[in-house]
Amino acid sequence: DQQVKQNSPSLRVQEGRISILNCDYTNSMFDYFLWYKKYPAEGPTFLISISSIKDKNEDGRFTVFLNKSAKHLSLHIVPSQPGDSAVYFCAASFSSGGGADGLTFGKGTHLIIQP
Amino acid sequence: EPEVTQTPSHQVTQMGQEVILRCVPISNHLYFYWYRQILGQKVEFLVSFYNNEISEKSEIFDDQFSVERPDGSNFTLKIRSTKLEDSAMYFCASWFRGLAGSNEQFFGPGTRLTVL
Repeated sequence: DQQVKQNSPSLRVQEGRISILNCDYTNSMFDYFLWYKKYPAEGPTFLISISSIKDKNEDGRFTVFLNKSAKHLSLHIVPSQPGDSAVYFCAASFSSGGGADGLTFGKGTHLIIQP
Repeated sequence: EPEVTQTPSHQVTQMGQEVILRCVPISNHLYFYWYRQILGQKVEFLVSFYNNEISEKSEIFDDQFSVERPDGSNFTLKIRSTKLEDSAMYFCASWFRGLAGSNEQFFGPGTRLTVL
């Protein structure tokens, strides 16, 4: 039962170009979405989030877009840098739970930035 | 910058043994969580903890699992009788509970549990 799907296991992007990571969800009750970055042997690191009342949130080189009607979100990284090479996880939650609910994660996309 | 810490980084145990995984959440955070990631699979929610009691738990969190906050800083996950399929990375996370509707959880580096 994959409520959060990341259909691309890996993505290769040239340094300096835009990286676009995609995520789809099936549960329309999700109303808060997050992106995490993970290096090997480390825990997930929070990157950026978006509430379902917005369609875009920007933080430096990172922008998350949310299309509620399509149940789709994407993370844009511009420009891509070698240090961005990592596994990126999309996660979703129900804010109505007040924080009690855990995050539902996708399987992750391994982003590789090539020089 | 404050961070979530976990000990040990790697735990090896025999099947049927009890293990306790330890976490120190960020000090002013109010919600605490345990997740696990079996090799090659996604990160899965186990349990959330608030105000000294379990708030939510997943179907994975059966009677073999328990959580405790024995003092003001530590948050522990106990597996009573480990099985081979408990081998995974276990992540602790915490959340401040800031803006309404937000849920930015901060994760520790994880404990790799190997059950032989």
